[in-house]
Amino acid sequence: GQQVMQIPQYQHVQEGEDFTTYCNSSTTLSNIQWYKQRPGGHPVFLIQLVKSGEVKKQKRLTFQFGEAKKNSSLHITATQTTDVGTYFCAGISWGNTGKLIFGQGTTLQVKP
Amino acid sequence: NAGVTQTPKFQVLKTGQSMTLQCAQDMNHEYMSWYRQDPGMGLRLIHYSVGAGITDQGEVPNGYNVSRSTTEDFPLRLLSAAPSQTSVYFCASSVTGAGSRYFGPGTRLLVL
Repeated sequence: GQQVMQIPQYQHVQEGEDFTTYCNSSTTLSNIQWYKQRPGGHPVFLIQLVKSGEVKKQKRLTFQFGEAKKNSSLHITATQTTDVGTYFCAGISWGNTGKLIFGQGTTLQVKP
Repeated sequence: NAGVTQTPKFQVLKTGQSMTLQCAQDMNHEYMSWYRQDPGMGLRLIHYSVGAGITDQGEVPNGYNVSRSTTEDFPLRLLSAAPSQTSVYFCASSVTGAGSRYFGPGTRLLVL
């Protein structure tokens, strides 16, 4: 079945450093979504990418969708303490609309 | 709008007991789904529904039943709870199966 792998599992950075998490799918995706979960909270939608090679930016966050639509990345520039949380990628395979499969997540800790 | 609501917030069960986790949304979303979240495992899809009267299995459906008699409600039933079902359960809804998910606050379940 469809699998979504995400690395690293944990990342500790000093405030101001950059951060990147990578996501790989075992199948070609129709779209990929990113979510953020704060400690003790629920996942909150950040963005959706649908086109091959797509790049989207939200302030200090840059999201990319690979050319083959099997991988994605999230890059945060100059991290802040408010970026703390777990970032999940989640993908929908072609022909499997309805099954949004999540990666294991990357937990980001930011030292002030 | 209340968004996605889940009850109860916390529950302790004994092995073999049954219970129903409630989920409701007031956004008139056609799509609803249930996930469980365990440490290091990300969110795993249990069951999902693309509309009233239609349900399908996700990645980890065993031990859980669902039904969707109305657009608003999507309850998750544990027929005979097992310690392996100790987890945090999230319900999510979406306009379509391909769209972004709105998550509820979660139900923390402990099975002794």
